[in-house]
Amino acid sequence: KAGVTQTPRYLIKTRGQQVTLSCSPISGHRSVSWYQQTPGQGLQFLFEYFSETQRNKGNFPGRFSGRQFSNSRSEMNVSTLELGDSALYLCASSPRSRLAGVYEQYFGPGTRLTVT
Amino acid sequence: DAKTTQPPSMDCAEGRAANLPCNHSTISGNEYVYWYRQIHSQGPQYIIHGLKNNETNEMASLIITEDRKSSTLILPHATLRDTAVYYCIVRALPSGGGADGLTFGKGTHLIIQP
Repeated sequence: KAGVTQTPRYLIKTRGQQVTLSCSPISGHRSVSWYQQTPGQGLQFLFEYFSETQRNKGNFPGRFSGRQFSNSRSEMNVSTLELGDSALYLCASSPRSRLAGVYEQYFGPGTRLTVT
Repeated sequence: DAKTTQPPSMDCAEGRAANLPCNHSTISGNEYVYWYRQIHSQGPQYIIHGLKNNETNEMASLIITEDRKSSTLILPHATLRDTAVYYCIVRALPSGGGADGLTFGKGTHLIIQP
């Protein structure tokens, strides 16, 4: 099975711009979660989508949003970029086929976003 | 969620078994133990999880003590590619419809020596 894929892998944006990141989960996985990783804060949960619905959200401002499509692919959007948004953005998919597996997450390689 | 304690770093010789301990003395009865690792510049990798019974898969074995207050992740034949930060995470199943994400602490930096 192919793993989780994320595009693009690297991105450079300017303060004030917006950005959209894409994630394709492992085939058959219906849950997609997004995380932000920075050296200072470590890995932080952004949100989870399951069956096209946002099921849970971390403590991030409304500038961070996402969506999931019927094929389980997901996108996250960050509007009005700030310098502090520079980070590695990771997507993780989960089979969620049994309840205990909800935290059995398979991560993609991430998108490295640099805001200048 | 129960707090976990892991040593900040460990060394292991290539080919030997790597035993990574995790203390979770405040674990609740409904909390699972999950192990992940993150190799430099890559996304975290799921390894294994368990509730109270020992678990084994193609990557590792998970030994949970009878009182569930600690666990050990065992990599049976460590290779240089196993050098990574290993995270022990304790989580209960989500009570609502959504998973509220994993919380990664500082983990154990395992260095496999040639």
